Amino acid sequence: KQEVTQIPAALSVPEGENLVLNCSFTDSAIYNLQWFRQDPGKGLTSLLLIQSSQREQTSGRLNASLDKSSGRSTLYIAASQPGDSATYLCAVMDSSYKLIFGSGTRLLVRP
Amino acid sequence: GAVVSQHPSRVICKSGTSVKIECRSLDFQATTMFWYRQFPKQSLMLMATSNEGSKATYEQGVEKDKFLINHASLTLSTLTVTSAHPEDSSFYICSARDPGLAGGWDTQYFGPGTRLTVL
Repeated sequence: KQEVTQIPAALSVPEGENLVLNCSFTDSAIYNLQWFRQDPGKGLTSLLLIQSSQREQTSGRLNASLDKSSGRSTLYIAASQPGDSATYLCAVMDSSYKLIFGSGTRLLVRP
Repeated sequence: GAVVSQHPSRVICKSGTSVKIECRSLDFQATTMFWYRQFPKQSLMLMATSNEGSKATYEQGVEKDKFLINHASLTLSTLTVTSAHPEDSSFYICSARDPGLAGGWDTQYFGPGTRLTVL
């Protein structure tokens, strides 16, 4: 059974810092991996999607990497801003097209 | 990107009543939709997979008679919470699978969620 773990569970950093969020999964037979942002009481915003054949994806200040063989992904946020404060969720899609989510990392960027 | 809508966005009901939540794919046909539940400060848990024209597939521990799913068309799936109780209060989110064009990527698009509060 696929399990997705995110570390750390919570993170507080001063504005301007570069930071890394970690995601690990137990079964490397994934279709893709996706990073989402969720603001309190809101739905999901897709940030980056990495197909199983890809190694990384970039969008603005965000960069996500995927090492399928080791079951790891990282989300790198450069020059963090208070507006980046949210919960970041990692999810892997298995062969039946189901998404399995990690428990999330709650990020607070202090002004 | 594709758009998925949910209605209502927020609902408050009395214990024992039933509540229907709609999930629509607005600009693509979704043969498969998924329903998730999220309790406060927890992650999303898949409840069931909804396939157009056939019975939904429920995840282990999810009561199919309590959470009725109907996927009557390629753009609409509904989740009915029957005889709701306070412990059913949660954030319900749907997603719609877009298999993409030939050679394209399989993607899920998420609705904005429905906040259910059962008094």
